Amino acid sequence: DAGVIQSPRHEVTEMGQEVTLRCKPISGHNSLFWYRQTMMRGLELLIYFNNNVPIDDSGMPEDRFSAKMPNASFSTLKIQPSEPRDSAVYFCASSLDRRMNTEAFFGQGTRLTVV
Amino acid sequence: SQQGEEDPQALSIQEGENATMNCSYKTSINNLQWYRQNSGRGLVHLILIRSNEREKHSGRLRVTLDTSKKSSSLLITASRAADTASYFCATALYSGGGADGLTFGKGTHLIIQP
Repeated sequence: DAGVIQSPRHEVTEMGQEVTLRCKPISGHNSLFWYRQTMMRGLELLIYFNNNVPIDDSGMPEDRFSAKMPNASFSTLKIQPSEPRDSAVYFCASSLDRRMNTEAFFGQGTRLTVV
Repeated sequence: SQQGEEDPQALSIQEGENATMNCSYKTSINNLQWYRQNSGRGLVHLILIRSNEREKHSGRLRVTLDTSKKSSSLLITASRAADTASYFCATALYSGGGADGLTFGKGTHLIIQP
């Protein structure tokens, strides 16, 4: 397996534009997580899915953020409209087990810059 | 919110020395995991220790867990330049029917001087 695949690796967009980040988890993994990493706040859990169903989205900062998982092999994180403070590295991770009795596998991240 | 807090925030040692990083957390956990992140890359899992375990080894890594003190430590022995990275502890919280994802601390940035 190629691991967790995220696209794009880098995204530069203007304030107010819609941004869509994509993630393909490892085949067979039941849980998928979206994290945001900044220097100030570290790694923040935004939302996670179990068997394609959103379980906890309490970490989503605002209504401008939304996430979907239409099937077991694909998830998106959308920001609309984007703002400069959304600039961060966004990571997707997947795991066999929602209970985290096994490790999480991370993608390489999407570095988002909103200007 | 941050569940785990690593200490120190930064650590610089000479190659060959041992590096020790600590992690404290606040609530009951299912397990605790350590991850490494090289600059500009994703996180890589190092080791998982369950709440009923006290110590675990993997190669040059040694992890301890003290649930009474809500703390863990990661020891890297005989450090190498390639160990330069940020190290994070992550806790899997126990809540009713199961844990709810991993919560990370802000990490310890380790620099190994050649």
